[in-house]
Amino acid sequence: EDQVTQSPEALRLQEGESSSLNCSYTVSGLRGLFWYRQDPGKGPEFLFTLYSAGEEKEKERLKATLTKKESFLHITAPKPEDSATYLCAVQARGSTLGRLYFGRGTQLTVWP
Amino acid sequence: SQTIHQWPATLVQPVGSPLSLECTVEGTSNPNLYWYRQAAGRGLQLLFYSVGIGQISSEVPQNLSASRPQDRQFILSSKKLLLSDSGFYLCACAGETDTQYFGPGTRLTVL
Repeated sequence: EDQVTQSPEALRLQEGESSSLNCSYTVSGLRGLFWYRQDPGKGPEFLFTLYSAGEEKEKERLKATLTKKESFLHITAPKPEDSATYLCAVQARGSTLGRLYFGRGTQLTVWP
Repeated sequence: SQTIHQWPATLVQPVGSPLSLECTVEGTSNPNLYWYRQAAGRGLQLLFYSVGIGQISSEVPQNLSASRPQDRQFILSSKKLLLSDSGFYLCACAGETDTQYFGPGTRLTVL
């Protein structure tokens, strides 16, 4: 059973063209939702943790938001260096030892 | 903040050969440690996790095993590799918060 679904699978943007990535989830109770950035051949890099609906967090051109069923990663005026795969993961309340369920990621390409 | 080291960075092994991947953590004590595998086009699959020395839990039955001989050392092993063991292996660490931080990974190719 898929608990985390990310869309789109791939996204191509021109530099400066803002857009959003989606992460929808189904868990019995959300403890936390995590966003990571992964460059090719490297380990995921932590970006944000969101804990409750309505929460927002920002870092440079990225802003993450959370509702009861999904999260969005908004990218404002992206640059080529924002190109990467963005991963979403959820942690359920009462999960064993912080177990995370990952989506398959959105591969973002920003061209100049 | 914690730093996670993994080695080797890349590995090419023949089918049937043994495997040992090592992960060490700096900057935190008594962390939860995790081994993941990432196959092309698929999400991260949790393989093992550990809350302390000698305490290992397995998520997926397979020919891999894990050990934690020291507080900040986590080892992934196999006695005989299969073609299907190829992938990108990631070690992760969680300290006092729920956030998992990942190492640089090991690319394993089984031929």
